[in-house]
Amino acid sequence: DTAVSQTPKYLVTQMGNDKSIKCEQNLGHDTMYWYKQDSKKFLKIMFSYNNKELIINETVPNRFSPKSPDKAHLNLHINSLELGDSAVYFCASSQDLISNRRAFFGQGTRLTVV
Amino acid sequence: DAKTTQPTSMDCAEGRAANLPCNHSTISGNEYVYWYRQIHSQGPQYIIHGLKNNETNEMASLIITEDRKSSTLILPHATLRDTAVYYCIVRVVGNQGGKLIFGQGTELSVKP
Repeated sequence: DTAVSQTPKYLVTQMGNDKSIKCEQNLGHDTMYWYKQDSKKFLKIMFSYNNKELIINETVPNRFSPKSPDKAHLNLHINSLELGDSAVYFCASSQDLISNRRAFFGQGTRLTVV
Repeated sequence: DAKTTQPTSMDCAEGRAANLPCNHSTISGNEYVYWYRQIHSQGPQYIIHGLKNNETNEMASLIITEDRKSSTLILPHATLRDTAVYYCIVRVVGNQGGKLIFGQGTELSVKP
């Protein structure tokens, strides 16, 4: 079983549309994250959630709205998509906020806005 | 979190040891050194982490200098599948919501 799974793997959509990316982890972790990797390959944190509560919002436009229905899921909804939103989005999870344990990443969702 | 400096790219012959350096001269006493790698088109993968002592696991060894200002990740017998971007990350455990701050990393090419 995949520890952190994201769907879809690829997403091509037109500007102005609204889309969602789903993420699920089966590790029993408390903390989940969304990272964005742009065309220059830089990986940056967007959000972190702990026990369904938002902990970090790294000045992400409010067109991006994460939702955590339970500890095992953190979905990312994006409104009014723009060309600059094209990137690979990675979901990740870790045991909790305070331990030194590793983070597990999903395989990424490649979003292309045309 | 402390800033890290890594070479942009390195080559290694298959079967030889790959030694990837990382400078973190401003590291604080409560900051850990983590290594992740990203194989093309995949999500980042954890390799190893440490605080002061050298660490070894099934994937690699981590050597941290006594003053903790630099470290080296060692892949003892590199294979073609180890070709990836390797990220050295310094992180305060328990701070900043658990996030990892990725730099540019080192692009390691393992050649036959």
